[in-house]
Amino acid sequence: DQQVKQNSPSLSVQEGRISILNCDYTNSMFDYFLWYKKYPAEGPTFLISISSIKDKNEDGRFTVFLNKSAKHLSLHIVPSQPGDSAVYFCAAPGQYGGSQGNLIFGKGTKLSVKP
Amino acid sequence: EAGVAQSPRYKIIEKRQSVAFWCNPISGHATLYWYQQILGQGPKLLIQFQNNGVVDDSQLPKDRFSAERLKGVDSTLKIQPAKLEDSAVYLCASSLVGSPEQYFGPGTRLTVT
Repeated sequence: DQQVKQNSPSLSVQEGRISILNCDYTNSMFDYFLWYKKYPAEGPTFLISISSIKDKNEDGRFTVFLNKSAKHLSLHIVPSQPGDSAVYFCAAPGQYGGSQGNLIFGKGTKLSVKP
Repeated sequence: EAGVAQSPRYKIIEKRQSVAFWCNPISGHATLYWYQQILGQGPKLLIQFQNNGVVDDSQLPKDRFSAERLKGVDSTLKIQPAKLEDSAVYLCASSLVGSPEQYFGPGTRLTVT
């Protein structure tokens, strides 16, 4: 049973437009969420996170929104740039309360930003 | 600050052979993780260490996989004997105790033929 789901395997957007990547989760005990970005032949790199006590966190061009009632989060990238082309993973720590422990990842969404 | 180091970057072996991977975490990071990422999937935890003790190895196939972190710094992951389905990228990550943010190494791509 997948606890973190990314239902869109790929997304293509034009440079300068908004990219919206979606993530759903099934475990209501999750209290922290992270987004990672992965380029080919590299390890995932941390991008942005959000605690369950918030509904929005912003860092430059990247904003994560959390809708706890819908068990849904999304990552917005505005404006999108060709260098943003990568695979994006949504993740949640498997241990609760302490917001740490092994990360449970979705399958990822491959974002392509076209010039 | 140096990141998480892993070696080798690539390895090709035949089934039933053995292989070992090495990881050096970020200095000061007491928690170390090994993940397996199969093509088209997200990383999945194999084992978690805190210092030199095992925190979680519930998803490690212990009949063929082993891992150690003897001095609480470097770690090695071994597969013996390898199967075709072990073909994957093996990622090492580290974090500060209590922090949910994990920092990943570049991974080792293993191909079992």
